[in-house]
Amino acid sequence: NAGVTQTPKFRVLKTGQSMTLLCAQDMNHEYMYWYRQDPGMGLRLIHYSVGEGTTAKGEVPDGYNVSRLKKQNFLLGLESAAPSQTSVYFCASSYQPTGNTEAFFGQGTRLTVV
Amino acid sequence: RKEVEQDPGPFNVPEGATVAFNCTYSNSASQSFFWYRQDCRKEPKLLMSVYSSGNEDGRFTAQLNRASQYISLLIRDSKLSDSATYLCVVTGNGASKIIFGSGTRLSIRP
Repeated sequence: NAGVTQTPKFRVLKTGQSMTLLCAQDMNHEYMYWYRQDPGMGLRLIHYSVGEGTTAKGEVPDGYNVSRLKKQNFLLGLESAAPSQTSVYFCASSYQPTGNTEAFFGQGTRLTVV
Repeated sequence: RKEVEQDPGPFNVPEGATVAFNCTYSNSASQSFFWYRQDCRKEPKLLMSVYSSGNEDGRFTAQLNRASQYISLLIRDSKLSDSATYLCVVTGNGASKIIFGSGTRLSIRP
């Protein structure tokens, strides 16, 4: 049981380059989330999705786009990477966001923009 | 104001000590509350849910105070393996979002 899988695990980008982070879950969860984690800042929500074909903005959406074309996948895109986007990115999924249901996380993507 | 606030620590306590963390939330409509644990350079993992009546899991006790809008985590007889960052999580706040606090770092010394 793979749970939540993120690819890639590490990446170095040059300023202005683009890339897509892939999150895949095999638990048939409706809800998926992208967070970034910076030192001393905790996890900040970038975008989230409440189901296939839906996306919504979180706390820090600027500079990112997302797509949820298939229920099991949630993609995070950086169109023109900036050094401020250097961070650790975590994807999470949950059956539902409310109630006592657990959110499961991928292992993270460490992105450096130079 | 952040939706969920935690004391960042670090808390540095000796093995065997009792330590407590608090977390405050701003949205009174929040419905569910959790504590997650995150080890260095790893993903967060669920430690325990927080119920209105309070709940205990071994050495860990979680409490919810809706009137004052805070939750707490108490760790008794702390072990070296308890060293981690503890994240407060709030959901059901009128939107389909899971909101994390910035985390409290705990370091247990021998």
